[in-house]
Formats: sequence, structure tokens, C-alpha cells
Amino acid sequence: AQSVTQLGSHVSVSEGALVLLRCNYSSSVPPYLFWYVQYPNQGLQLLLKYTTGATLVKGINGFEAEFKKSETSFHLTKPSAHMSDAAEYFCACHSGGSNYKLTFGKGTLLTVNP
Amino acid sequence: NAGVTQTPKFRVLKTGQSMTLLCAQDMNHEYMYWYRQDPGMGLRLIHYSVGEGTTAKGEVPDGYNVSRLKKQNFLLGLESAAPSQTSVYFCASSPPPGLTHYEQYFGPGTRLTVT
Repeated sequence: AQSVTQLGSHVSVSEGALVLLRCNYSSSVPPYLFWYVQYPNQGLQLLLKYTTGATLVKGINGFEAEFKKSETSFHLTKPSAHMSDAAEYFCACHSGGSNYKLTFGKGTLLTVNP
Repeated sequence: NAGVTQTPKFRVLKTGQSMTLLCAQDMNHEYMYWYRQDPGMGLRLIHYSVGEGTTAKGEVPDGYNVSRLKKQNFLLGLESAAPSQTSVYFCASSPPPGLTHYEQYFGPGTRLTVT
């Protein structure tokens, strides 16, 4: 069974500082990995995804994530935080095939301080 | 395209009352899903459907029923609401797994309070 662990339920950074949100997965097969963002009182929006190929994936709003198979990680980064990045971020994993299931982590709330 | 829409956006119910949440998608997706989101719990799958006329249980199906009479609509019903069902409910849709690498598309959510 696959699982997703997000280290840190709440991360606080200063505006302009590096954003690092951690995600580790457990999957018996090469996974497909996603980061979603949820702004206050809104639904989830796809930020970026890893399927196959290049392990460094670029997404919207300057975010990127790197798939590291040896570390079973898919951490999300942004070089310089902006106030508008304040949101909850969810990492998700799919094992592929005909399986319907997208497994989510519990989320990390990002606060950006002025 | 409107994408995935949900009706209503907010609702307050008394214990024991019933209600139906409506999800509609205009992307011609085969798969549809209902999740609930609670603080610190992430998203948990309630029920899902792999096509018109089919439904299946997810992780937390108790107290909910669903129907998929039309491909574009997925209804979530609460027959007798309980305070434990106070939550934010999200609907999502996707093509069959494999066509777009498995991502799901989410609606804006319904915030339900049961008193």
C-alpha cells in the first residue's frame, strides 16, 4: 500500500526566503507524484507533477520539485517566498496502472511573514 | 469550461436532517470522486465512480450514499446527518487512469456544518 508523509504540518517563512516543503512517499512501484495547492476557502489546484523523465519538475508560480528515488522524496521548493504563496500544500502519489487511488499527505500550511 | 462545480457552497443542517450535494463536471471525465477534508486529516475518499451508473466505496463511506445517473453529475447524499459529518466536501474528476497521468481536478468545495 502506498503512503505519503509530509514533514511539518505548518511551515513559516519570511517574505523573500527559501520555501522548502517536504514530502516522502512509500510505494512498491515507481510512482506518479503531485503537489497541489489550496488557497483559503478554495479547492485544490495542481501545482506540478512528476510522471517520467526529468526528475526536476517546474510548476506554476515559480515552484519546483525534485523526484529522488533513492530518498523516496519529492520535496517542493521556491527560491523566494511571496505573500501570495500563503496556502496549504498537499503532496499526492499514484501507483499507476488502472488503480483509481490518489493518496494524499495530510498537508502543510505555509505562512509567509512580511 | 467551468471545470468542476459544486452546489451548494455552504450549508447548515440539524442532526438527523438529510441533504444532497451536487457535483457537475464539463470535461467529459469518466471518473468522479467525493472527498472530505478535516483539519489535520488531509483528504479522505468517501466514494468514487468509474463511469455512469457505477459507484464504489472509498476509505470513509459510512453515513453517505452516492449516485451517478449521468456522466457529468455525481451526487453525494447524507440520509441522517450527524455532527461528525461536519466537514468540507470536495468533488473531483479525472479521465481514466493513464491518459493524463492520474491527476484529478477539484471543485471549490462545500462547507457543511451539522449542529
